[in-house]
Amino acid sequence: AQTIHQWPVAEIKAVGSPLSLGCTIKGKSSPNLYWYWQATGGTLQQLFYSITVGQVESVVQLNLSASRPKDDQFILSTEKLLLSHSGFYLCAWSLGGSSAETLYFGSGTRLTVL
Amino acid sequence: AQSVTQPDARVTVSEGASLQLRCKYSYSGTPYLFWYVQYPRQGLQLLLKYYSGDPVVQGVNGFEAEFIKSNSSFHLRKASVHWSDSAVYFCAVSPQGGSNAKLTFGKGTKLSVKS
Repeated sequence: AQTIHQWPVAEIKAVGSPLSLGCTIKGKSSPNLYWYWQATGGTLQQLFYSITVGQVESVVQLNLSASRPKDDQFILSTEKLLLSHSGFYLCAWSLGGSSAETLYFGSGTRLTVL
Repeated sequence: AQSVTQPDARVTVSEGASLQLRCKYSYSGTPYLFWYVQYPRQGLQLLLKYYSGDPVVQGVNGFEAEFIKSNSSFHLRKASVHWSDSAVYFCAVSPQGGSNAKLTFGKGTKLSVKS
């Protein structure tokens, strides 16, 4: 069975500090990977997606970056956090190959920027 | 570009009552449509999806949804809710074609079930 693990579960960070969030998928080779962001009380926005190692496409510009250093790993980062980065970050995977694919989400990371 | 409207931010129903959560989408073609559920402090889980064929789709835990193209709607229904159904429900649309599951989500409807 496939599992998706996100870390950390929660972070409290200062404005201007760096950030790194991670996501690992086990039990599925070459999945499509996604980062979503959910502002408090808001809907989800797709931030990045990746269909293969080393390739990441940006969907929304939020002064964040993403990388896929391994087939099963997806990293979201920034060098300088803004207050507006607060929210819930969700990593997801899909089998790929079609926009009808089901997304399988991790449990998320709650980020508070002070 | 596609969009999703969930007009009800909060819905409260009594346990055992029927439920309808509304969803309307905007998309020029025939989209793929999804309902996801988010339990407290968790990620999202798929309830059901529509991509072709019978416009009434069955999902998990007794949920179903009907795609009505003429009305651009994809409302979620359940005949009898349970307290454990309390959660936030998201409707989403994805364009047909492409290798990226580019879902556009609505703002969600928070369902509270009173016992």
